[in-house]
Amino acid sequence: EAGVAQSPRYKIIEKRQSVAFWCNPISGHATLYWYQQILGQGPKLLIQFQNNGVVDDSQLPKDRFSAERLKGVDSTLKIQPAKLEDSAVYLCASRGGGGNTGELFFGEGSRLTVL
Amino acid sequence: GDSVTQMEGPVTLSEEAFLTINCTYTATGYPSLFWYVQYPGEGLQLLLKATKADDKGSNKGFEATYRKETTSFHLEKGSVQVSDSAVYFCALSGQRNTPLVFGKGTRLSVIA
Repeated sequence: EAGVAQSPRYKIIEKRQSVAFWCNPISGHATLYWYQQILGQGPKLLIQFQNNGVVDDSQLPKDRFSAERLKGVDSTLKIQPAKLEDSAVYLCASRGGGGNTGELFFGEGSRLTVL
Repeated sequence: GDSVTQMEGPVTLSEEAFLTINCTYTATGYPSLFWYVQYPGEGLQLLLKATKADDKGSNKGFEATYRKETTSFHLEKGSVQVSDSAVYFCALSGQRNTPLVFGKGTRLSVIA
């Protein structure tokens, strides 16, 4: 079974530029999450999708971050304009079911450096 | 809101030493509890989980018991190996299909 795919693995940009990250979850997984992991900290949820609908985006900085999952499969996270403090690893995860007992499967992450 | 507190790292141990990484949580209702591990250069992967009080999760020699009375889920291993060097994250999922809430992570280094 293929895992969660993310790209690009690494990205370096100047502040105020824009960047987009892509995620393809495990086939059949209805729930998709984007997390931000700043160096030395645990992952923090940015947004949760159920199929193509947003379940929770309360922690997404909506003035600069946006995310979509148009067909309920793959997803894109965009940052525009980027700030220095956005330097982090952006993790995508998916979950097939099981309520709150189900495992989240993570991609390898996209590491963003903002200069 | 729900939260997880785990011991600060880094933790450095000699091979075959006993490992404990403390984790306590705050949550309403009956959360499920997880330990995830992140090996160098790899993504997060589930190590073990427990979904109700007094359950014990175990995998690869690691164990953790869901203690509701002390709101804890401490990770233990009797004899660590160099290959266990990684960052360990305690996490909880509070209600149905809610996302995981993570602790800050504990870096473990095992030296031969």
